[in-house]
Amino acid sequence: EVQLLESGGGLVQPGGSLRLSCAASGFTFRNYAMSWVRQAPGKGLEWVSGISSGGGVTYYADSVKGRFTISRDDSKNTLFLQMNSLRVEDTAVYYCAKNPSVSVGPSDYWGQGTLVTVSS
Amino acid sequence: DIQMTQSPSSLSASVGDRVTITCQASQDISNYLNWYQQKPGKAPNLLIFHASNLETGVPSRFSGSGSGTHFSFTISSLQPEDIATYYCQQYDNLPLTFGGGTKVEIK
Repeated sequence: EVQLLESGGGLVQPGGSLRLSCAASGFTFRNYAMSWVRQAPGKGLEWVSGISSGGGVTYYADSVKGRFTISRDDSKNTLFLQMNSLRVEDTAVYYCAKNPSVSVGPSDYWGQGTLVTVSS
Repeated sequence: DIQMTQSPSSLSASVGDRVTITCQASQDISNYLNWYQQKPGKAPNLLIFHASNLETGVPSRFSGSGSGTHFSFTISSLQPEDIATYYCQQYDNLPLTFGGGTKVEIK
């Protein structure tokens, strides 16, 4: 059974940093691309970033480009999202999601999410 | 970026009713479209991939159709457990983009 468990969310001041983690199990992690998708309170879904199998290719939404960095540690079956220069509008539940292939694309399994609140 | 226009934004229907949601892409996306269900307080769940393919384990009352720029998602007989918000997502181009969602309620 595919399981994705996010951690690292919390309250941070504007301009601050957070690092999200996603521990994966139930599938061969290194063989699949992974993504982060977020959802602001009461709003819809927004794709944030994706990383290919092997980590050689990464993509970002324009809203986070230059501030967020996606990475993965295949030896630990873990996906990361380093978030710097956080803004109030980054407040959201952040979901880790598995892609069904080696390339960045849509998601077939999602974690339960971790809440990031950016506020002074 | 490809814009996905989903309608209606909400609907109320009776148990057993046929429910249809539409999604229009701002450019041709072939059939690179997924449909997700999100129940309150839960993560999204993939129902339909590649516009019309039912994900394993998803009840057959759910279906999808369309290609190019116009797509539809249908629940053939609405059940109480189908109360949720439904989203379309295109994956023809990055960034991946979602429709605004359709909240389905029971009348």
